[in-house]
Order: sequence, then structure tokens, then C-alpha cells
Amino acid sequence: DAGVIQSPRHEVTEMGQEVTLRCKPISGHDYLFWYRQTMMRGLELLIYFNNNVPIDDSGMPEDRFSAKMPNASFSTLKIQPSEPRDSAVYFCASSLDSLMGTNEKLFFGSGTQLSVL
Amino acid sequence: GQQVMQIPQYQHVQEGEDFTTYCNSSTTLSNIQWYKQRPGGHPVFLIQLVKSGEVKKQKRLTFQFGEAKKNSSLHITATQTTDVGTYFCAGRARRTYKYIFGTGTRLKVLA
Repeated sequence: DAGVIQSPRHEVTEMGQEVTLRCKPISGHDYLFWYRQTMMRGLELLIYFNNNVPIDDSGMPEDRFSAKMPNASFSTLKIQPSEPRDSAVYFCASSLDSLMGTNEKLFFGSGTQLSVL
Repeated sequence: GQQVMQIPQYQHVQEGEDFTTYCNSSTTLSNIQWYKQRPGGHPVFLIQLVKSGEVKKQKRLTFQFGEAKKNSSLHITATQTTDVGTYFCAGRARRTYKYIFGTGTRLKVLA
């Protein structure tokens, strides 16, 4: 398996532009997470899905952020309009629910480094 | 909301010295996981602890889950330069699948 695949690896955009980040989870995994990492705030959970359904989006900063999972093999995180304070590394992770919660490791993608100028 | 803190924030050690990072949650956890992130990389799963008071070992790494399931620790014996990176704990509260990551401890090993 190729692991969790994110694209693009790097994105540089200007303030006010729309940004779309993409994620392909590991096949068969039923949970998908979007995290944002900055020096100041660490790894923040933005939203997570179970079987393509958003379960908790309480970490989404504001209405400018939206996430979708149209099918089990694809998810997007969109920022519209983007602002300089959105600059961060955005990680997607997936995991497989296990009986009794005994082995719920998160597999992370390589991340998207977003710079908003 | 649930918060997970780690101390110390940074640690510099001489190669061969031991290292410990501590993780504390504001809420009782269902389980706790540990991850390592190398500079420029992504978090990589190390281990999961589920039971109160559980202790697990991986070679030079020892992981412990507190009796109250609100704290955890990672201890590395005789550090090596390959141990460099940031170590995160991630806790999941009951009745949720949210994994909240700790603030991380950045380890630097001096040869």
C-alpha cells in the first residue's frame, strides 16, 4: 500500500485566493483526520470523518474552512478566502477502527506546506 | 475542551544519556498513543497504551500509562543520534474518536 497520499506537497498562494488540499487515505481505512501544524499551536485537529461522514468539525477555525469526503478514497480541505495566518503544514491521517480499540494507529500523509502571502 | 500538555518543551542531551517526556491530559483517556516526528517529516506511530498502569517496552523505549489514565510518559535509555525528533502523545477520550495531540517534546542528541 502506498500509504496516505496528500497533494500538493507545497502550495504558495496570495491572500484572498482559494486553496484546495487533497488526501487519499489508505484503502479500507474508515476514519480520516485533518490536522494543522504550526510552531505556535502545535498539531491541531480540524475535522474527522467516519465512513465519509463528518463527525466532529469543532476544530475548524472559521467559515473560510470547509472539508468534504465524497467517497472512501478521497477528501478535500478547502480554504476560501485564504489569509496569511493560514500558513501551516496540513496533515491528513487515516486509521482503521478496531474491535475494543486495541490498535487504532493513525497513518499520516507527508503533509502540504501552505504559504499564504 | 480536552487539552493535552507535554513537558519539557525542549530537551538537549548528550548521546548516551537518558531522556523522559511527560504527558498530562485534562480529561480521563480511553487510550493514549505516542508518535515520533523527524525534522521535516510527518508523525509516525510508535505505540498505543490502553490499560490503567500499563507499561510497554520497545528496545530502549519504555512507555507508561498512569493509573488514573490521565498521564503518560516515554523514557528513552542511552539516547542515540537517531532518536532526534519531536515526540508527541495523543489522547482519545471516551465516547469519541478524536485524537488530541500533546504539545510535543523536541529532543536533540549531541554526539
